[in-house]
Amino acid sequence: QSVLTQPPSVSGAPGQRVTISCTGSSSNIGAGYDVHWYQQLPGTAPKLLIFGNSNRPSGVPDRFSGSKSGTSASLAISGLQAEDEADYYCQSYDSSLSGYVVFGGGTKLTFL
Amino acid sequence: QVQLQESGPRLVKPSETLSLTCTVSGGSISSYYWSWIRQPPGKGLEWIAYIYYSGSTNYNPSLKSRVTISLDTSKNQFSLKLSSVTAADTAVYYCARTLYYDRRFDPWGQGTLVSVSS
Repeated sequence: QSVLTQPPSVSGAPGQRVTISCTGSSSNIGAGYDVHWYQQLPGTAPKLLIFGNSNRPSGVPDRFSGSKSGTSASLAISGLQAEDEADYYCQSYDSSLSGYVVFGGGTKLTFL
Repeated sequence: QVQLQESGPRLVKPSETLSLTCTVSGGSISSYYWSWIRQPPGKGLEWIAYIYYSGSTNYNPSLKSRVTISLDTSKNQFSLKLSSVTAADTAVYYCARTLYYDRRFDPWGQGTLVSVSS
């Protein structure tokens, strides 16, 4: 059971927009800790996609965007492309139990 | 461009200790924090621990009793030891650079699959 909750899967057609939610609590996202998002293509290591809730590292297309409100965060992907089919994970920090890093359970993005 | 590479035994027997090393190239280990993260086959990511070059550490509460993370600045390496392993510890183990002020992981090593089996 992950501390951060994500939908197991989302799907969309090429060119469409999809969103992935990440729900936490008052000890992590709601406490003001940053949310980061990672993309994991099949058979590869995760790659940082969004950091600090809504910032894109250099080289990440602006089709990817992040937001945060209250105890939740969201990743939006617009203009879906075939290469976006991957697993997506949110990550934050939890202040309980002396503090530790937490991940969401991951969301698999598939094409319709 | 910082790069990380995991190394260590790919097969560990139950009840023994899993040991992995991460070699950092293209930058000094004497800055940033450095983490271990794992991913059981077909499952999600689990943070294990991080360490700062000063020796400051933080561990996942669920693994703390079995984990030791250490660092060797002379070799630009950091290491993981996980004791009393079981089949549930079978996973791909990743090392990653960690920014302390927001705990983001970037970049990651390619990962190494460690299987626990007799």
